[in-house]
Amino acid sequence: DVKVTQSSRYLVKRTGEKVFLECVQDMDHENMFWYRQDPGLGLRLIYFSYDVKMKEKGDIPEGYSVSREKKERFSLILESASTNQTSMYLCASSLGSMAKGELFFGEGSRLTVL
Amino acid sequence: GEDVEQSLFLSVREGDSSVINCTYTDSSSTYLYWYKQEPGAGLQLLTYIFSNMDMKQDQRLTVLLNKKDKHLSLRIADTQTGDSAIYFCAERVGGSYIPTFGRGTSLIVHP
Repeated sequence: DVKVTQSSRYLVKRTGEKVFLECVQDMDHENMFWYRQDPGLGLRLIYFSYDVKMKEKGDIPEGYSVSREKKERFSLILESASTNQTSMYLCASSLGSMAKGELFFGEGSRLTVL
Repeated sequence: GEDVEQSLFLSVREGDSSVINCTYTDSSSTYLYWYKQEPGAGLQLLTYIFSNMDMKQDQRLTVLLNKKDKHLSLRIADTQTGDSAIYFCAERVGGSYIPTFGRGTSLIVHP
């Protein structure tokens, strides 16, 4: 069974803290994504990676960075968390081919910044 | 640019049909998708349609694509309480790995 695993389902952090959100996929997918989901705003793409060490900014990259040192792992980093980064964060992966292009999502990490 | 629009809420009675609508702007869309998100979970692909198709049926689900009006719909027959979820429409343009998602429609099924 294909799987995208996000290491933390719930996190509570303080303003200014550095936050790491980890995502691992076991499907040997080339593409990995980080989205944030807010009520009424849907999914907004933060960063996308199409290969190891490769990354592209999405629609809302400000305040975030990413790391992809291994194919299966894609990390989202909040260098200095702020209250407006309180949100649900979703990781996803997909094959590198131009076929169906289905995204496989993790269960999400709900981050609260106090 | 790409934009995908869908209404935010839909309420139906158990046993009725649900129709969730979506409009998109990019005429070069290759694939159009419907994802389902159950409470507390990530999104899962429900169904998809290739842009050269008009209709796709899969058990209780029917997807209709009107390319002229750039309109996509998802019909769920005999809607059950387990269908209560957020449904996201998404499009993907040929040559891009990145889909564009709508804001999601919350489907509420009441007895």
